[in-house]
Amino acid sequence: EADIYQTPRYLVIGTGKKITLECSQTMGHDKMYWYQQDPGMELHLIHYSYGVNSTEKGDLSSESTVSRIRTEHFPLTLESARPSHTSQYLCASSPSGLAGARGGTDTQYFGPGTRLTVL
Amino acid sequence: KNQVEQSPQSLIILEGKNCTLQCNYTVSPFSNLRWYKQDTGRGPVSLTIMTFSENTKSNGRYTATLDADTKQSSLHITASQLSDSASYICVVSDRGSTLGRLYFGRGTQLTVWP
Repeated sequence: EADIYQTPRYLVIGTGKKITLECSQTMGHDKMYWYQQDPGMELHLIHYSYGVNSTEKGDLSSESTVSRIRTEHFPLTLESARPSHTSQYLCASSPSGLAGARGGTDTQYFGPGTRLTVL
Repeated sequence: KNQVEQSPQSLIILEGKNCTLQCNYTVSPFSNLRWYKQDTGRGPVSLTIMTFSENTKSNGRYTATLDADTKQSSLHITASQLSDSASYICVVSDRGSTLGRLYFGRGTQLTVWP
C-alpha cells in the first residue's frame, strides 16, 4: 500500500476561483508527478519534479503550476479555474536510483486522486 | 510515435471465469512494461512489471506475458472475482531519459458479474 495522500478527494467550485490540490508522500521519494485523467482516457503527465526546488512541465500543456519546497509535498495550483479544468488529477511519486524500495527506478506509486469539477 | 494500445476497451465476464486483456506498444527503446489496476475513483496500483528478458510474471490470479519481439503483452486473470472489476492499464517505460518516461494505455474496463 502506497503512503501517498491527496486532498481534497472531491472538489466542486465556480469559475474564476483559485484552488490548490494537495499531495503528500511519506516514503521519502525524490521524484513526484501530477497526471490529468479524463474518463475512459489515458493518464497525461502535466508536471513532475526530481526533488526540492525542481519542477518541470510534462507532456500535456496545463495552466496549473506546482511547487516543491519540501520533499514530501507537491501541491498543484490553478489561479483561475475554468470548466475546461474539470478532470481527475492524480499525484504519484517514485524513488530515485537503480533500485527503489519496492521496484525499479521508475516504479510510480499513485495517490487516490482529486476529482475536480468547475461549474 | 510512442504509443500503447489496449484491447478490448471494455469486457464483461461472469464471476469465476477467466479472461485475457491485450496490450500492443510501439515504445522504443523499451525498458519495462507494467500492468496497473485502477479501481473507480482511485489511483492505479501496480500488479506486475516485466523487463525485456522476462516473458511471464505472476501475481496471484494475475499472469502477465510479454513478447518483446512483437511488442505485445497480455494480462490473464484466472477465476475472476467481483473485486476484479476495475480498469486495467498497460504502462510502458522507455530508456530514453532519466525520467523513465511512462506511456499509458487507455485501459480495459473489466466488469465481473455475479
